[in-house]
Amino acid sequence: DVQMTQSPFNLAASPGESVSINCKASKSISKYLAWYQQKPGKTIKLLIYDGSTLQSGIPSRFSGSRSGTDFTLTIRRLEPEDFGLYYCQQHNEYPFTFGSGTKLEIK
Amino acid sequence: VQVGESGGGIVQPGQSLTLSCSASGFMFSNHGMHWIRQAPGQGLDWVAHISSSDGTVYADAVKGRFTISRDNAKNTLYLQLNSLKSEDTAIYYCARSDYASYYFDYWGQGVMVTVSS
Repeated sequence: DVQMTQSPFNLAASPGESVSINCKASKSISKYLAWYQQKPGKTIKLLIYDGSTLQSGIPSRFSGSRSGTDFTLTIRRLEPEDFGLYYCQQHNEYPFTFGSGTKLEIK
Repeated sequence: VQVGESGGGIVQPGQSLTLSCSASGFMFSNHGMHWIRQAPGQGLDWVAHISSSDGTVYADAVKGRFTISRDNAKNTLYLQLNSLKSEDTAIYYCARSDYASYYFDYWGQGVMVTVSS
C-alpha cells in the first residue's frame, strides 16, 4: 500500500497569512494526489485533484504543487472559513490512502 | 449533486448491518462510487469502490465481510456489513468519483455505525 505522510499535524495561523501543508508518498503516485477540507457539520470538500487542479468553485487562494513524491497544499491570504481539518489522498492505485490530517487553527 | 447515507446504528459484534446512500442531481449509473470511513477522532480510511460497470474492490480490512452494491434504477448505493467487529466502529461516508478517476468529488454527511457489546 502507498503510505501518505502528512505534516504538520497541527498548524496555527492568523487570517491574512499564508500556510503550507505537506504530503509525501512512500512511492511514485505520478500526479495523482487530492486535497480535502473537513469542517464540523459540513460535508467533506474536494479542493484539489491531480496534484494541482483546482476543483470547480474552490477559491484561487488554494493551490497545489508537486515535486516527485512530495506534494504541497498552499493557502494564501487565509480567510476565517479556511480553518479546519485537511487531508491528502493518493488516487493513483488501490487501496486509496489518506494522510493522517492537518488541523489548521486560528492563532 | 447530492448523496446521503442512512441505515447506521448500534450493533453487537458479529452482527450485520446494511447502509444505503441515495444519490441525486447526476447520472448515477455513469459514476463510480465509494464508501470511506472515519473512526472516532481518527483520519479517513477508504473501504470499497464499485465502478459504473459493477466491478468492486475492497480494502483488506473488510474484504470477505463487507459487500458494496448499487441499484441504478433507484440511484442508490449500498454497503452490506457482516461479521462486524469493534474496530468497524466509525462514521461511514459515501462519495462519488469523477469520470475515470479515483478522487472523491462529492461526499455525504456520513452515518454512524457503532459495534459494541
